[in-house]
Amino acid sequence: ILNVEQSPQSLHVQEGDSTNFTCSFPSSNFYALHWYRWETAKSPEALFVMTLNGDEKKKGRISATLNTKEGYSYLYIKGSQPEDSATYLCAFTRNTGGFKTIFGAGTRLFVKA
Amino acid sequence: ETGVTQTPRHLVMGMTNKKSLKCEQHLGHNAMYWYKQSAKKPLELMFVYSLEERVENNSVPSRFSPECPNSSHLFLHLHTLQPEDSALYLCASSPDRGLVGYTFGSGTRLTVV
Repeated sequence: ILNVEQSPQSLHVQEGDSTNFTCSFPSSNFYALHWYRWETAKSPEALFVMTLNGDEKKKGRISATLNTKEGYSYLYIKGSQPEDSATYLCAFTRNTGGFKTIFGAGTRLFVKA
Repeated sequence: ETGVTQTPRHLVMGMTNKKSLKCEQHLGHNAMYWYKQSAKKPLELMFVYSLEERVENNSVPSRFSPECPNSSHLFLHLHTLQPEDSALYLCASSPDRGLVGYTFGSGTRLTVV
């Protein structure tokens, strides 16, 4: 069974707090891991796509790391702002002769001013 | 706007109705996808089209019928739906089947009464 697990399910933080979420995925047949940010009533927006073990990506205050051997990725937000409130989705793509992408259920972040 | 446009944004239909969801992209992407999101569940892949050919159908009931007349347009034809089909239907595109980093539309919120 292929599952992508995200934790926590939801998170409430104060403005200025730094936070991180976890995405766990199967470590076999790895092709890519992607993170999306999904604000209410908008489209999911791609944040990062990572393909190599040890990859680290950064976009402003948001960064992500990847460990393909143990099957996890972390997303970090430094100094959370109310506008960071959104659902953060991760998705795992495997390649077993064909590509298959599986999404996690997301982490819902609430940042209080 | 992300470059992927979905219409309508909201749809209420009876169980005996026939309706269609439309998705359009002019990003030059070759792969297009239909996803379903039910409450508190991960995004579920329904159909994948690559170069206008259906390459994946994830055991979706026949009351959902996709159509891809060209690489820029994707439809989801709906008939005799059930109340449990009420969900958010998202369209996405990517440069090709193997390249990750989807561009999503804003979705159609479907309610079946």
